[in-house]
Order: sequence, then C-alpha cells, then structure tokens
Amino acid sequence: EADIYQTPRYLVIGTGKKITLECSQTMGHDKMYWYQQDPGMELHLIHYSYGVNSTEKGDLSSESTVSRIRTEHFPLTLESARPSHTSQYLCASSDAGLGEAFFGQGTRLTVV
Amino acid sequence: AQSVTQPDIHITVSEGASLELRCNYSYGATPYLFWYVQSPGQGLQLLLKYFSGDTLVQGIKGFEAEFKRSQSSFNLRKPSVHWSDAAEYFCAVIIQGAQKLVFGQGTRLTINP
Repeated sequence: EADIYQTPRYLVIGTGKKITLECSQTMGHDKMYWYQQDPGMELHLIHYSYGVNSTEKGDLSSESTVSRIRTEHFPLTLESARPSHTSQYLCASSDAGLGEAFFGQGTRLTVV
Repeated sequence: AQSVTQPDIHITVSEGASLELRCNYSYGATPYLFWYVQSPGQGLQLLLKYFSGDTLVQGIKGFEAEFKRSQSSFNLRKPSVHWSDAAEYFCAVIIQGAQKLVFGQGTRLTINP
C-alpha cells in the first residue's frame, strides 16, 4: 500500500499570499516529483528531486520553489500566489530502482 | 523530440463493450512503460507496468497492455468495460537511467449505459 500524503486537499487563497503545499511519503523513496494539472488536462512536471538536498526544475516553467531537507518531505512554495497559479498540484514518489511512481491525492489550489 | 503520445483525447464506449486505448512513445532506448488511471478530483493509480519479459502484461481491474517494440506502442485493453471504468487514463514512460517520468496527454473514457 502506497503511503504518500498531500495537504491541504483544497485551498482557496487571495492574490499575493504565500502558500506551501505539503507532500510527505513514508516509503523511503529517493525520487519525488511535483506535477501541475489543469482540469481534464495532461500532467506537467514542474519539479523533481533525486534525494536529500537535490532539486531540479521540470519541463514546465513554474514560479514555485521546492526543498528537500528530509527524504520523506518535499514541500512546494509559492511566495506570492496569483490567479494564474490556480490548478491541481500532484506529488509523487518513486523508488530509484523500480521507476514506478506513487501519487498523492493532489491539492486543488484556487487563487482569487 | 522525445515524447509520449495518446492519440485519442476522448473515447466513448458502451458498457460491456471492449476497449483499447492507444499509447506511442518516441524514445530510442528501451523504456519502462506504465498506465495510470485518474478518477475525477483524485490522484493517479497505477494500472499496470512493463519493465521487461513477457510483452503482454496484466494489471488491476481486468486491464491488460501489450508492448510492441516494432510499433513503439503500449496499448491498454479491457475485454468488457464497466461503468466504473469511466475516468482519465494516462500512459507514462521512464527511460532506463533517466530520472523523469513523462506522461502522455491522457484519454478521457466515457461509458454509455
């Protein structure tokens, strides 16, 4: 059973606010990912990490930042939220050897 | 450019009918291949995966997929769909030694009663 958790599930926030989306996994996976997905659309990789203190930008440019201080934790931060950031954000993790990714349930962010 | 393509954006089938969802990739190296399903408002759940060996793989919920190297395809099939299969389906690829899981555009499946 996969154990990867995202909080909050839903967030409505005003323009200009700073927000952090949390993602935690208890599987000891080295790789973690953040994807952005608009309703009914494809997933776009915005950040990934190979392990502690490793972070990389994904294929889609994003104003968000991430950190990986602990293996199990991969938070995503928006310093100043804007309506264009409204989307669903999906976190995933995978074991380096198998490649199979396990997903959290996502955070649906609305910036008003 | 290296990519994963799902040619069908939206497919509608009747309950009880057979289903095939297409997936093509354009990588030179041997990939690891996955199919994921996403119900509305939810994360993604792995249906099945192919790493090596038998090119016909069985997954959960009665799904199967066949890897065809000559066609660079990994199509998903189910002999008889159920109304609960209505969802978004994503094909994904990771290249051996690479770090990123790359997704196709997704196919939305609608089931007619």
